[in-house]
Amino acid sequence: EAQVTQNPRYLITVTGKKLTVTCSQNMNHEYMSWYRQDPGLGLRQIYYSMNVEVTDKGDVPEGYKVSRKEKRNFPLILESPSPNQTSLYFCASSLGSREQYFGPGTRLTVT
Amino acid sequence: KQEVTQIPAALSVPEGENLVLNCSFTDSAIYNLQWFRQDPGKGLTSLLLIQSSQREQTSGRLNASLDKSSGRSTLYIAASQPGDSATYLCAVTDSWGKLQFGAGTQVVVTP
Repeated sequence: EAQVTQNPRYLITVTGKKLTVTCSQNMNHEYMSWYRQDPGLGLRQIYYSMNVEVTDKGDVPEGYKVSRKEKRNFPLILESPSPNQTSLYFCASSLGSREQYFGPGTRLTVT
Repeated sequence: KQEVTQIPAALSVPEGENLVLNCSFTDSAIYNLQWFRQDPGKGLTSLLLIQSSQREQTSGRLNASLDKSSGRSTLYIAASQPGDSATYLCAVTDSWGKLQFGAGTQVVVTP
């Protein structure tokens, strides 16, 4: 089944404790991206990757890192999480600018 | 900078009525436009994708139109059902694959 998976689905952590949210797709898509969704602010792009080893900043990249060492995986790294990074995170993938497929989301709480 | 607006922000209709959801965007240089459905606390499900060269796209009870020159898209849902209750998001894609989302229209269909 074609899908985008994210782990973990739910995470509660403390300020400053490094964490990684994994994202994996099985559709051989070149394009992958991360979004965060906040009430009143909608969905905003954090980082995107157009292919292996090619990444770039989206609209709200501060406090986040990404890497794309394999085509199928695009992890999101929070080196020192802060409470303002409490949010619902989505990973997405597509073939170039075609239809985008979203993962189920990761709800992160930073205390 | 591309801005995407969805009106109304919320909509409540009795079962059986047709739904009309509006989306407008400020920059007509889009690659495609996608409509998504999001259930509370869940991920995004792609409903329809309209390429910039197309005027409309249909899937079952759903029909989406696109007028790129005026920066507008409309999603029609015929004969609404309680199961159609959700938030509907539109997003425009640029040639790099980046999605810019509207804030969404929250729909409630009452039995």
